[in-house]
Amino acid sequence: DSGVTQTPKHLITATGQRVTLRCSPRSGDLSVYWYQQSLDQGLQFLIQYYNGEERAKGNILERFSAQQFPDLHSELNLSSLELGDSALYFCASSTGQGSNNEQFFGPGTRLTVL
Amino acid sequence: AQSVTQLGSHVSVSEGALVLLRCNYSSSVPPYLFWYVQYPNQGLQLLLKYTSAATLVKGINGFEAEFKKSETSFHLTKPSAHMSDAAEYFCAVSVPQAAGNKLTFGGGTRVLVKP
Repeated sequence: DSGVTQTPKHLITATGQRVTLRCSPRSGDLSVYWYQQSLDQGLQFLIQYYNGEERAKGNILERFSAQQFPDLHSELNLSSLELGDSALYFCASSTGQGSNNEQFFGPGTRLTVL
Repeated sequence: AQSVTQLGSHVSVSEGALVLLRCNYSSSVPPYLFWYVQYPNQGLQLLLKYTSAATLVKGINGFEAEFKKSETSFHLTKPSAHMSDAAEYFCAVSVPQAAGNKLTFGGGTRVLVKP
């Protein structure tokens, strides 16, 4: 158990819908990261927040948005869902924001878009 | 931009045999390198990391990796495979940036351990 929690574990929804994925980082960690894992794209970095501020952005679609709240939990919002958005979404956290910080991964949320 | 290539999407080894998973990276600046393992239906767990200290890095579960700058490689090895090593392994790179910490992953290598 990494100490990172994600809810829900599974999510099934229809095209065009909007969903919210939630992540609670390890106690004391200020950085939160979101990654997408799919069969065709592999593991891709989406976005990083540090203490409530956006720090780095990857190949995140405009239909996707994220935020980190004052209590440091984070939410990833996915809207106008398409079949291709079906994937495993991981949240990770680390103590600091630098590149040598070890990232601890949560168990993931499996999103299925029908 | 940095990138990672893992040679072999699937590797099959016999129990007790050497495990060797290959990882080559591309980076314009000295990178940090990581190996993660993913067991079925679970998240990623860090096996080991290289952050410019010793080039031979020892990790958990008997794994180790050697950073070779001349070959831009960071191969993962374990002398003797156990059945519990069956999983998918990911090599990842991050580079010092002005802000932020982004891991770029290789495509992964799935390890099958035969009894």
